[in-house]
Amino acid sequence: AQSVTQPDARVTVSEGASLQLRCKYSYSATPYLFWYVQYPRQGLQLLLKYYSGDPVVQGVNSFEAEFSKSNSSFHLQKASVHWSDSAVYFCALRNYAQGLTFGLGTRVSVFP
Amino acid sequence: DAGVTQTPRHEVAEKGQTIILKCEPVSGHNDLFWYRQTKIQGLELLSYFRSKSLMEDGGAFKDRFKAEMLNSSFSTLKIQPTEPKDSAVYLCASSLGTGIYAEQFFGPGTRLTVL
Repeated sequence: AQSVTQPDARVTVSEGASLQLRCKYSYSATPYLFWYVQYPRQGLQLLLKYYSGDPVVQGVNSFEAEFSKSNSSFHLQKASVHWSDSAVYFCALRNYAQGLTFGLGTRVSVFP
Repeated sequence: DAGVTQTPRHEVAEKGQTIILKCEPVSGHNDLFWYRQTKIQGLELLSYFRSKSLMEDGGAFKDRFKAEMLNSSFSTLKIQPTEPKDSAVYLCASSLGTGIYAEQFFGPGTRLTVL
């Protein structure tokens, strides 16, 4: 069975600071990995995705993520956050012929 | 170009009622997904259609939940009968192509409250 764990339910960070959101996955084969963001009262939006190649993948709004097979991780990072980055972030994994398996999400609050 | 549309945005039902949630995918998309979102369980897959064929029926949700694709541009999720534990946000998503890597576009969701 596959699973995704986001160990931090909430993260608070000041504007301009860096942000790292952790994601660990469990899957027997090479995973297709995604990060989605959910802004208040909106649907989920894709930030970035990874399957193979360079383990550091760039996404929208200056987000990037780093894949580590040895650590079974896919951590999301941003060098300098803005108040508009306050949202819930979901890490997800996809298996063939199935939908996405999501982590429980990390709620990010950016304060001035 | 319109995104994924879900109606209604809010639904309140009495225990035991039948409710039908509606979804219109992005035009031209051929994969459609229904998810349920709760604070405790997070996002869980209910159903997955590929070119209108049911690929995944959500296992534990089979007995009272039934999703259908009436045509390529319209899907419904029926919950019958509803129970208070069904209170959640129901999300519909669609994607173009059948590739596992295809981006899923999500609708804003329907918030269901069962009394």
